Amino acid sequence: EPEVTQTPSHQVTQMGQEVILRCVPISNHLYFYWYRQILGQKVEFLVSFYNNEISEKSEIFDDQFSVERPDGSNFTLKIRSTKLEDSAMYFCASSSSGIAGETQYFGPGTRLLVL
Amino acid sequence: QKEVEQNSGPLSVPEGAIASLNCTYSDRVSQSFFWYRQYSGKSPELIMSIYSNGDKEDGRFTAQLNKASQYVSLLIRDSQPSDSATYLCAVIAGYSSASKIIFGSGTRLSIRP
Repeated sequence: EPEVTQTPSHQVTQMGQEVILRCVPISNHLYFYWYRQILGQKVEFLVSFYNNEISEKSEIFDDQFSVERPDGSNFTLKIRSTKLEDSAMYFCASSSSGIAGETQYFGPGTRLLVL
Repeated sequence: QKEVEQNSGPLSVPEGAIASLNCTYSDRVSQSFFWYRQYSGKSPELIMSIYSNGDKEDGRFTAQLNKASQYVSLLIRDSQPSDSATYLCAVIAGYSSASKIIFGSGTRLSIRP
């Protein structure tokens, strides 16, 4: 069964460093998402992406964050200058269409720890 | 602010019994409703989706939706120890493409043998 994959599974970085989290969505999917979950808290929406541009972003997704689809398979989330509060689990998701309610399939996540 | 509310639990249910999980949402225009299961340290896994008022059954799981009351529930019949997890209620409000999911904080379910 096709699945969303994410790398790395764990990332430890120093405050102020840049990190890039990578995702390979399901191959025929067109809509891509990033969510994050701070330990013990809710899963929160960060950004959605379609047709090489951001469809929607949350208040969390400030200028420190960016997303890119650099080729036909990868979808990346970059945090330019990490803060302690960016420590969280980051989930990538994809869906085949943009129809409201279309199932979003989640990857296994990247656990980011900022020291 | 669109909200999805759940009782955080823990909800303890004996093995073989029915587990009942509840959720309310604030945005009346919400159209799509989901239950995800999340094991500790893992990603959310879709259990059920429901879009219309009434019940939807899939194996041991039944989702119930009441849009007038803005209420969604999940019943798990014949609960198994492997059902022990956090159950996330999730809602998509919009009609637009690439709609974001709004998650509740989750109910922790524990099935005791």
